[in-house]
Amino acid sequence: QQQVKQSPQSLIVQKGGISIINCAYENTAFDYFPWYQQFPGKGPALLIAIRPDVSEKKEGRFTISFNKSAKQFSLHIMDSQPGDSATYFCAASLQAGGYNKLIFGAGTRLAVHP
Amino acid sequence: DTGVSQDPRHKITKRGQNVTFRCDPISEHNRLYWYRQTLGQGPEFLTYFQNEAQLEKSRLLSDRFSAERPKGSFSTLEIQRTEQGDSAMYLCASSFASPDTQYFGPGTRLTVL
Repeated sequence: QQQVKQSPQSLIVQKGGISIINCAYENTAFDYFPWYQQFPGKGPALLIAIRPDVSEKKEGRFTISFNKSAKQFSLHIMDSQPGDSATYFCAASLQAGGYNKLIFGAGTRLAVHP
Repeated sequence: DTGVSQDPRHKITKRGQNVTFRCDPISEHNRLYWYRQTLGQGPEFLTYFQNEAQLEKSRLLSDRFSAERPKGSFSTLEIQRTEQGDSAMYLCASSFASPDTQYFGPGTRLTVL
């Protein structure tokens, strides 16, 4: 119930295309869903996040779509660029004692080809 | 640079040795988290501090692991009698109470030979 399942494991997209990464969770107590971007040798960096009372959130080229009934959420990267090539992690947060313990998916390695 | 810093960035040690990592959070952040990331996987939660109090420890944190955050500032993670299975990236993150957005450091990559 604590797991977050992420797919696909890897993704190749042409420059200008749309990258879509999907995540699913089981625990309905999760109340915060961030996406992190990680480049090799670096720590994860927060990209965008959503709470379950909202079905969609957009920031620039990045959009999270959230389906509470299906317990699924996805990241869409519009107009994908070679600089977006990185590993993306979805996560879910369980409020425990007032803090956010992040449960991460296994990651999606995105390669954007010019 | 006012981000989360970790030291050292890389550590190679022999099995059985003790190692200690340091994390300096963003200065006004009162929350500090440690995660472990193995190759090809997402980070896994290890432990959480609010100020100087360690409020949760994952079952991943065996008796060989200990973490401290004296005076609610920097934190250290010590691994005693290292094993090859301890080889991983150890990540530190910090946040402020509201909003509780976690900012990660660059990590310490541990290799146990």
